[in-house]
Amino acid sequence: DQQVKQNSPSLSVQEGRISILNCDYTNSMFDYFLWYKKYPAEGPTFLISISSIKDKNEDGRFTVFLNKSAKHLSLHIVPSQPGDSAVYFCAASFSQNFVFGPGTRLSVLP
Amino acid sequence: DAGITQSPRHKVTETGTPVTLRCHQTENHRYMYWYRQDPGHGLRLIHYSYGVKDTDKGEVSDGYSVSRSKTEDFLLTLESATSSQTSVYFCAIRITFPGQGRSGANVLTFGAGSRLTVL
Repeated sequence: DQQVKQNSPSLSVQEGRISILNCDYTNSMFDYFLWYKKYPAEGPTFLISISSIKDKNEDGRFTVFLNKSAKHLSLHIVPSQPGDSAVYFCAASFSQNFVFGPGTRLSVLP
Repeated sequence: DAGITQSPRHKVTETGTPVTLRCHQTENHRYMYWYRQDPGHGLRLIHYSYGVKDTDKGEVSDGYSVSRSKTEDFLLTLESATSSQTSVYFCAIRITFPGQGRSGANVLTFGAGSRLTVL
């Protein structure tokens, strides 16, 4: 039973347009939500996080939105660049526990 | 660079042989984790440690053991490797970002991974 779900295994977007990656969770105990980016043959790298008491956090081209009532969060990348092509993992945490989703492969087409 | 080194980076072994993967950190962080990454499953927690000699199981701990005799080293052992343990293994440390929320955001920083193939 997955506590963190990413229902789109893949997404293709044109360069310069917006990429929207979605994530759903089931456990109300989670108090932080994180997004990671992973290139082939490398470890995941932290992108951006959001506390459960916020509904939006922005860092440059990346914005994360949290809808607690729907147990849903999304990552917006604007504008998308070819270098953003990677696998994106959504993660949720409480205390020392970090639970990851299965990932979404983003392809940004030039 | 959070100073995490995983070794070996690549290993091919045969079913039934023991395998040990090592994770080394240079920054004295308390929490260390072992995850495995498989297609369709994302990252799944095997074991984690919250201090020297203090460890706990994750969701996929069967067939794995860990040890942490020093703060800087966290070892993952497959006592008798099976083909289902073919995977990429990632070590992570927990760090805290100041200034985000009342107590700061806890974030995992990952090593580069160890690719294990069990034939």
